[in-house]
Formats: sequence, structure tokens, C-alpha cells
Amino acid sequence: GESVGLHLPTLSVQEGDNSIINCAYSNSASDYFIWYKQESGKGPQFIIDIRSNMDKRQGQRVTVLLNKTVKHLSLQIAATQPGDSAVYFCAENTPSGNTPLVFGKGTRLSVIA
Amino acid sequence: DTGVSQDPRHKITKRGQNVTFRCDPISEHNRLYWYRQTLGQGPEFLTYFQNEAQLEKSRLLSDRFSAERPKGSFSTLEIQRTEQGDSAMYLCASSSALGRGEETQYFGPGTRLLVL
Repeated sequence: GESVGLHLPTLSVQEGDNSIINCAYSNSASDYFIWYKQESGKGPQFIIDIRSNMDKRQGQRVTVLLNKTVKHLSLQIAATQPGDSAVYFCAENTPSGNTPLVFGKGTRLSVIA
Repeated sequence: DTGVSQDPRHKITKRGQNVTFRCDPISEHNRLYWYRQTLGQGPEFLTYFQNEAQLEKSRLLSDRFSAERPKGSFSTLEIQRTEQGDSAMYLCASSSALGRGEETQYFGPGTRLLVL
């Protein structure tokens, strides 16, 4: 079946370095993608989104890249801080008119001070 | 704080008991979603409402689960005859449907259920 997944389950980075979290999706009909950050014991927190008619979108310290050719999504975090430590999920929103999000398993980002 | 609230935040119950959770979405949002999340996994869709109408249910939503959104504002999720496999975090999200493929869903803090 269609699925959203992540390549790496864990990622450790040094404070101040840039982080890159990757995600593969399999539904070529998906047209909207969201990255969420989830800290322990909390609900997912919206970080950034991108529509399929774009290939890059920037926020504050975060950039999302979308490669529709290979169905790949990435989240780049610049100057990673200890507060960025969390689990990151990508989610896709299919254009069916009824749009529950489909989430991958998540990548745990650990920032080493 | 996203503006989506859930109550209770934690619930411990014995197997066979019924439990009910409440979600209050962001006030102007017309769509409300319920998800379930188990440890180490991403959230899985259960059901969603547009206003008071329940538009879609996942196959994960067994007959023991029922959700309502009677006035198109808050929603409740009830689990009857709880089983240990129901132990999970139950997440609520809301969104304002602007059109196909443009729904940012904002999540509440979740209700963590433990069935003993």
C-alpha cells in the first residue's frame, strides 16, 4: 500500500551543525507535505509545509526540499540547537478531498552540546 | 500551545472499562481529526469530522470505538470495553479546510491511555 517512511531512525548532530532529515513517500498523487516536531510527551508541532508545485521552502532556520521525481522530502535545520532534539515526522496529504495525514515512523534527532 | 486542548492528559483504566476523551479544537476550525500513536510510531488516523458530520473512519476504528462532534465544536472519543492493546496516545488535530491539499493540521497535547 501507499506509505510515507523515513530513511534513518536516529540522527545525532553536534550543536551548531546543520541537520538533514530525509523522508521518502510513495504516493505520487500526494500534493501537500508537512514536517512535524514531537517532543517527549507532547503532540506533534507544525514546523513547515510545502505544496507539490514547489521544490523548496524556507522558514526560520528550517528549509524543506521536495524532489517529486524521486518522491523524496528533506528537512534541513540550520545551526542545530539543543532545543531541536525531538522526533521529526514527515506527513503527506493526499488530494482525495478527504485528507487524513499519513505519517512515517519518525527520526529521532539528538543534539550533542 | 497550538490552541487545541485535550482532556484528560492521562488516563489509567482497567481492562473492560469504558473511557471517554474530549478534544476542543481551534475555534474557527471546521475539521477535527482523531489519531492514535503507539510508542516509536507515527500517528495513525482514526476518524475525522467536518463540522458535525463524521466523514471518514479508519479500519483501525473497531466497533468499540465511537466518536461524536454534536455541535461541530468539541469532540469526544469513547472506547468501550477497553483492551490492553488500546494503550496508546490519542491525539486530536484540527484544521480549516481551505481546499484540497492545503490543510495544516494542528495537534493537541494528546491523552495518554494505559489499560491495565
